[in-house]
Amino acid sequence: DQQVKQNSPSLSVQEGRISILNCDYTNSMFDYFLWYKKYPAEGPTFLISISSIKDKNEDGRFTVFLNKSAKHLSLHIVPSQPGDSAVYFCAAAKETSGSRLTFGEGTQLTVNP
Amino acid sequence: NAGVTQTPKFQVLKTGQSMTLQCAQDMNHNSMYWYRQDPGMGLRLIYYSASEGTTDKGEVPNGYNVSRLNKREFSLRLESAAPSQTSVYFCASNKNYGYTFGSGTRLTVV
Repeated sequence: DQQVKQNSPSLSVQEGRISILNCDYTNSMFDYFLWYKKYPAEGPTFLISISSIKDKNEDGRFTVFLNKSAKHLSLHIVPSQPGDSAVYFCAAAKETSGSRLTFGEGTQLTVNP
Repeated sequence: NAGVTQTPKFQVLKTGQSMTLQCAQDMNHNSMYWYRQDPGMGLRLIYYSASEGTTDKGEVPNGYNVSRLNKREFSLRLESAAPSQTSVYFCASNKNYGYTFGSGTRLTVV
């Protein structure tokens, strides 16, 4: 039972344009959401997070939007840069399970110069 | 630099062999985790340790054992490796939700 799903295995965008990565979840108990970025041969690194009490969180070029009614979140990268090319993982947590994270399958983002 | 250190980085095992993956963190975090990453399946939790002296099963614990040796170290053992355990293994530690991951161990079981 995949509780966190990223339905797009890959996404390709042009440099300078917006990248939108999507994530859906099924467990309504999740109350904290995160995005991680992973380069080849490296471990994932934390990118941005959002609590369920908010619907938007922004950090520089990265913005995460949360739609609780639709159980959907998205990561916007504006403007996209070639260095953003990586695999992006969506993750979710529920306070009752401590800080254990449930990850999605990942989306490979390629930003073309 | 502070972080999570995993060894080895690469390993090839024959079916039935055993090995231990080592992980150490120097950030004084209480919680540590072992994940495996497989194509199309994301990161799946194998075992975790909420604090020194405690361990719990995650989503895919079968075929693995863990030891939380002390606050810094959390090892993952494969007693009898199987081809289905071919994967990339990541150790992580965290304070709250901000996980710090190691660089991974690429394990191939033939």
